[in-house]
Amino acid sequence: DQQVKQNSPSLSVQEGRISILNCDYTNSMFDYFLWYKKYPAEGPTFLISISSIKDKNEDGRFTVFLNKSAKHLSLHIVPSQPGDSAVYFCAASGGNAGGTSYGKLTFGQGTILTVHP
Amino acid sequence: NAGVTQTPKFRILKIGQSMTLQCTQDMNHNYMYWYRQDPGMGLKLIYYSVGAGITDKGEVPNGYNVSRSTTEDFPLRLELAAPSQTSVYFCASSYRGTTEAFFGQGTRLTVV
Repeated sequence: DQQVKQNSPSLSVQEGRISILNCDYTNSMFDYFLWYKKYPAEGPTFLISISSIKDKNEDGRFTVFLNKSAKHLSLHIVPSQPGDSAVYFCAASGGNAGGTSYGKLTFGQGTILTVHP
Repeated sequence: NAGVTQTPKFRILKIGQSMTLQCTQDMNHNYMYWYRQDPGMGLKLIYYSVGAGITDKGEVPNGYNVSRSTTEDFPLRLELAAPSQTSVYFCASSYRGTTEAFFGQGTRLTVV
């Protein structure tokens, strides 16, 4: 059973426009959410995170929105740049009732973002 | 700062062989993790460690073993390699369990 889902395998966007990547989760015990970016032949790189006590977090061109009632989060990239072309993974931490997660992450399948010049 | 270093980068194993994937970090992080990524899938946690001498199973531990004798090193051992273990393996570390993890470049393993 996949607890974190990224239902769009790929997304294509024009340079300068907004990229919106979506992620859904099923485990209501998740309390911390992260986005990672991954280039081919490299490890994932941390991008931005959000705690469950917030509904929005911004860092430059990147904003993550969390809707706990819908168990949904999204990553907005504005404006999109060709260098943003990569695989984006949504990840969640927590989910151990009564215990700490020790930072163990549950990942979605990833979305391939392509930004065209 | 090297960050998280994994060796080797590529390896081909025959069915039934064994090997150790090496991982070392120079950030003095207490928490370390091993993940595997299969094609078209997200990363899945194999094992993790919250400090030297302390390890625990993740989501997919079968066929693997780990040890953590120092803060810096967290090797992953594959015994009796099987084709199902063909994957890309990532080691990661974090300062605290709830902060972002830093990943190595990965080891691409093929079992034939």
